Formats: sequence, C-alpha cells, structure tokens
Amino acid sequence: AQSVTQLDSHVSVSEGTPVLLRCNYSSSYSPSLFWYVQHPNKGLQLLLKYTSAATLVKGINGFEAEFKKSETSFHLTKPSAHMSDAAEYFCVVTMNTGFQKLVFGTGTRLLVSP
Amino acid sequence: GAGVSQSPSNKVTEKGKDVELRCDPISGHTALYWYRQRLGQGLEFLIYFQGNSAPDKSGLPSDRFSAERTGESVSTLTIQRTQQEDSAVYLCASSYRTSGVETQYFGPGTRLLVL
Repeated sequence: AQSVTQLDSHVSVSEGTPVLLRCNYSSSYSPSLFWYVQHPNKGLQLLLKYTSAATLVKGINGFEAEFKKSETSFHLTKPSAHMSDAAEYFCVVTMNTGFQKLVFGTGTRLLVSP
Repeated sequence: GAGVSQSPSNKVTEKGKDVELRCDPISGHTALYWYRQRLGQGLEFLIYFQGNSAPDKSGLPSDRFSAERTGESVSTLTIQRTQQEDSAVYLCASSYRTSGVETQYFGPGTRLLVL
C-alpha cells in the first residue's frame, strides 16, 4: 500500500528566505509523486510531478523537488519565498498501474511573513 | 481552456435531506474522480470513473453515498439523508494520460455544511 507522511503541519518563513517542505513516502511499487498547492478558498493546483524520469523535478513558481529513493523522500524546496506562496501544500503518491488513486498527505501550511 | 467546474460552490442543508453535487470535467478527459476533504485534513478518495463506469467505489463512506456519470461528461455525487459528519469540501478531478503518466486536474470544490 502507498502512504505519505508530511513531517510538518506548519512551516513559517520570512519573505526572501528558502522554503523546505518535507515529505516521506511508502510504496510497494515504483511510485509517481506529486506536490499540489491549495490557496485559501481555491482548488488544488499541480505544482510538479515525478514520474521516474529525472530525479530533480522543476515545477511552477520556482518550486522544485528531489526524489531520493534511498531516503524515500520527495521534499519540496524554493530558494526564496514570496508572500504569495502562503498556502497549504500536499504531497501525493500514486501507483503507475491501472487507475490513479491519489493518496494525499495531511498537508503542510506555509506561512510567509514580511 | 476551461478547467473542471463544480456546482454549487456552497451548499447548506439540514440533517436528513438529500443533496446532489455536480462536476463538469475538462473536455476529453476520460477519467473522473471524487474526493472529500474534511476541515484541516488531506483528501480522501471516494470514487473513480472511467467513462461512465465506476471500477472503484471503495472510498464511498456508506450506502448513503452514490455517484453517476453520463458518458465522459458530467458526474453527480448524491448524498442521501445527510448527516453532520458529511460536512466537508467535495472535490472532483478529471485526468488525462500522456507518456504513460496520468495527471489529475481539480475543480474548486463544493463546500457542504449539514446543520
């Protein structure tokens, strides 16, 4: 079975400083991994996805994530936070077989202060 | 182009009433998913459609929940005899597959409050 653990429920950073949102996964098969962002009262937006190609994945808005199989991690990073990055971030795992049942982590709320 | 749309955006109902939630997927997307998001939590899978058939209904919480889909178009999620614990945001996603990878695109959700 697949599962995802987001290690921090809240992360606070200052504008202009780096962002690190941690995610560890468990999967019996070769996984696909995603990060989605959810701004208040808005739908989920896909930030980036890992699909067994390059282990360093670049997404929208300057975010990137690195797939590390040895550590079963898929942490999300950004070099410099912007106020507009404040949102809820979800790490998601799925199998690449059959249909795509997404398994969501519990989310990390990113707070960005001026 | 147009994204996934859902209606209504908000629904307040009384305990015991039936509600119907609608999802319009992105045109051409054959797969459609329903999820539930309780306050402060991640998403729970409810049901998956491929075309108008539902190969996996394993996430439906009880027999009060049902869903239908017309062809590769609109889907409705029906909750009968609503309970307060049904209060949540119900999200719909449609997906396409390219190069063997499927990507889901989410609608804005329907916020359901059962009084």
